[in-house]
Amino acid sequence: KNEVEQSPQNLTAQEGEFITINCSYSVGISALHWLQQHPGGGIVSLFMLSSGKKKHGRLIATINIQEKHSSLHITASHPRDSAVYICAVRGGSQGNLIFGKGTKLSVKP
Amino acid sequence: DAGITQSPRHKVTETGTPVTLRCHQTENHRYMYWYRQDPGHGLRLIHYSYGVKDTDKGEVSDGYSVSRSKTEDFLLTLESATSSQTSVYFCAISDRWLGNEQFFGPGTRLTVL
Repeated sequence: KNEVEQSPQNLTAQEGEFITINCSYSVGISALHWLQQHPGGGIVSLFMLSSGKKKHGRLIATINIQEKHSSLHITASHPRDSAVYICAVRGGSQGNLIFGKGTKLSVKP
Repeated sequence: DAGITQSPRHKVTETGTPVTLRCHQTENHRYMYWYRQDPGHGLRLIHYSYGVKDTDKGEVSDGYSVSRSKTEDFLLTLESATSSQTSVYFCAISDRWLGNEQFFGPGTRLTVL
């Protein structure tokens, strides 16, 4: 079983829809990261959080430590949000990042 | 954008040849990382550096070595490339260990024939 599971693997939405991407993990962690990988391959860090909620523009990330679960929400989605969204947790003996396989989001105009 | 570049961006090589990938940063960040990204897997850490001449292994380090002789450069060497090392390689930097934000390079697509 993977230590970091993301769902769904693929998501297609219409422009304007509210989007939720989920991340569940099975290890103890000190922090969780959300990253965005553009269609061209570039990777950008979106959030790092260890509790509660963070918001940046139309993006909201939440984490529930007790349930070992995090969600990334996108409000008023736009085609430019089309990307792969990656969850990563900081855990393990070295505190390395353990990455999920990503959720591929496609937003149609 | 953070000043981080990778070279080459694309490389095709043959099994058994040595290959060196370069990561260069202009941010003076202490920590540098090499990851590989493969279909069906998340990003996986190969090696990392926490200072000049200070490096350590990640989870998939077999067949790879690294060197960091200057703050700005982190080299990844495949000593004898194999087809299983065909992948996209990303370099990343951060000012603290897995700090708030890691900045990623553009990636190097390596094909080993």
